[in-house]
Amino acid sequence: SQQGEEDPQALSIQEGENATMNCSYKTSINNLQWYRQNSGRGLVHLILIRSNEREKHSGRLRVTLDTSKKSSSLLITASRAADTASYFCATDASDRGSTLGRLYFGRGTQLTVWP
Amino acid sequence: DTGVSQDPRHKITKRGQNVTFRCDPISEHNRLYWYRQTLGQGPEFLTYFQNEAQLEKSRLLSDRFSAERPKGSFSTLEIQRTEQGDSAMYLCASSSDRTTNEKLFFGSGTQLSVL
Repeated sequence: SQQGEEDPQALSIQEGENATMNCSYKTSINNLQWYRQNSGRGLVHLILIRSNEREKHSGRLRVTLDTSKKSSSLLITASRAADTASYFCATDASDRGSTLGRLYFGRGTQLTVWP
Repeated sequence: DTGVSQDPRHKITKRGQNVTFRCDPISEHNRLYWYRQTLGQGPEFLTYFQNEAQLEKSRLLSDRFSAERPKGSFSTLEIQRTEQGDSAMYLCASSSDRTTNEKLFFGSGTQLSVL
């Protein structure tokens, strides 16, 4: 079953604008990750934030985590047409015992960046 | 190319036939995962190997599905008596338990179409 839910399901913006995607999850976690998937391809890891962190940056990416609200956001600044892809959050669900690295993915946000 | 590779990229089969997919993980990775992804959904966990041992299987993995990793390197996923509901992208991922970063490295997937 899926753990996270991304919002919105689809987002369409112009190049240069910022894109914000949100993720909500249901159980306690050790960490939360964001992945990107181009159409018909595998997923690529973008960034990982641990449960004791509140914010993390990587290049044009900024991730926040609010464990009290069980939510995270991914901000892509100064978007480019090449950022067009699906973005998924994934959690490890620590209260399900040993998950041995299993990740639970949401349904994703489809981001389209128009040139 | 030192990434995760999957073969074939696409497979079209008739209902009732057996199919087998192969995954070659990153060579130094001892953990290997199979996920299934249907259109508009995030990946769903199927099974997990630590070296050659299959340590976890999802309830999604019916008795028609079997996965092996005989020498702790490549893995195969076999589906017997395929059904139309098996049509999906089958993703393989690998990781190492020798790092504290729990991110997964995904292959490009095998797209299965059952007619």
